[in-house]
Amino acid sequence: NAGVTQTPKFQVLKTGQSMTLQCAQDMNHNSMYWYRQDPGMGLRLIYYSASEGTTDKGEVPNGYNVSRLNKREFSLRLESAAPSQTSVYFCASSENRGLDTQYFGPGTRLTVL
Amino acid sequence: ELKVEQNPLFLSMQEGKNYTIYCNYSTTSDRLYWYRQDPGKSLESLFVLLSNGAVKQEGRLMASLDTKARLSTLHITAAVHDLSATYFCAVGIGQFYFGTGTSLTVIP
Repeated sequence: NAGVTQTPKFQVLKTGQSMTLQCAQDMNHNSMYWYRQDPGMGLRLIYYSASEGTTDKGEVPNGYNVSRLNKREFSLRLESAAPSQTSVYFCASSENRGLDTQYFGPGTRLTVL
Repeated sequence: ELKVEQNPLFLSMQEGKNYTIYCNYSTTSDRLYWYRQDPGKSLESLFVLLSNGAVKQEGRLMASLDTKARLSTLHITAAVHDLSATYFCAVGIGQFYFGTGTSLTVIP
């Protein structure tokens, strides 16, 4: 079991460029999440998908879009990257939304110049 | 807006000493999670506390939950260097709300 995997591990973008962060889980979990982690601010929820076919906004959704491609995969897209989106992005999954333990991927470190 | 506050934010302690990290939250919840994060790494689940008075222990770490006080504690007993990491609490209310983390350094 690989658990939760994310690609890429590192990325540098220029302002205005777009990119997609990929996430996959092999635990047959229903729910998946995207967080960003910034120094001194803990983790903040960007978007989540409670089940296949559904997505909802979290605390900080502006500037992002998501796609729940199937039960295993949940991608995060930055359409026009801004320096304020420089952060570490974590994908997580849980058996069901909200109350079950969430398992985290290794993270993607994104720098926007 | 739900607030989850941890203190201290930074903790430097000597090996062999005891200390407690506090996690306060601003609204009713009976689900509290503790995670550990090593530098440059992902988050690893430590404890899940599901009811008032719940206590969980693993090695030198013990977590407890007081839902009436909206407080969880993570107690470290006889700290060792391997415990150096950042510790996060998260409150579960529909989604997870994370505290800002406590960066723990154990000095030999």
